[in-house]
Amino acid sequence: QSALTQPRSVSGSPGQSVTISCTGTSSDVGDYNYVSWYQQHPGKAPKLMIYDVSKRPSGVPDRFSGSKSGNTASLTISGLQAEDEADYYCCSYAGSYTYVFGNGTEVTVL
Amino acid sequence: QVQLQESGPGLVKPSETLSLTCTVSGGSISSYYWSWIRQPPGKGLEWIGYIYYSGSSNYNSSLKSRVTISVDTSKNQFSLKLNSVTAADTAVYYCARLAGASRIAAAGTQFDYWGQGILVTVSS
Repeated sequence: QSALTQPRSVSGSPGQSVTISCTGTSSDVGDYNYVSWYQQHPGKAPKLMIYDVSKRPSGVPDRFSGSKSGNTASLTISGLQAEDEADYYCCSYAGSYTYVFGNGTEVTVL
Repeated sequence: QVQLQESGPGLVKPSETLSLTCTVSGGSISSYYWSWIRQPPGKGLEWIGYIYYSGSSNYNSSLKSRVTISVDTSKNQFSLKLNSVTAADTAVYYCARLAGASRIAAAGTQFDYWGQGILVTVSS
């Protein structure tokens, strides 16, 4: 199982939108609508932001949205805020009761 | 509110066994699947494996030969053992709850609760 591919970093100014891609294969992202996204601030545990491609847990701002097309999932942060500066990881169910994470993307608010 | 707390030695010698325990509070360990996930310093997350309260488990194929995850329902705890460790096993180890069980992904589709993590260093 290889890690899902994410851009190393993305950046945007406050109020702008940024999109993080997460590319897998037809055996994971492309085969299941079970992609989740996690936000991780330095020294902290990851926090669930999106699950099942586009669903938001209670308490997560609606500025965060998810989508998927083929083997690539995406996380969009609209109306970027300073507190959104963090690392973001995607994760996909990969069949046979296994899971694979992305390599992570650093989001910088300029 | 479910809370998870990792515990165990922060330093393990090369070739020895890494042993960690995750204590679940605020809810029963039954009816959910529970996972271990690790993160080497400055690197990404890696799923290690999961356990169900019944004892059913599954592991990442890259670690399968060295990993055992077990559960103690009487203590609301589950544990990780990783043997024959090397410096490459140095990481922050997280325990997490799997949620969103479905017909296809019976164990769940997302990790909704996480422990704070524990740094384990492999060094002599």
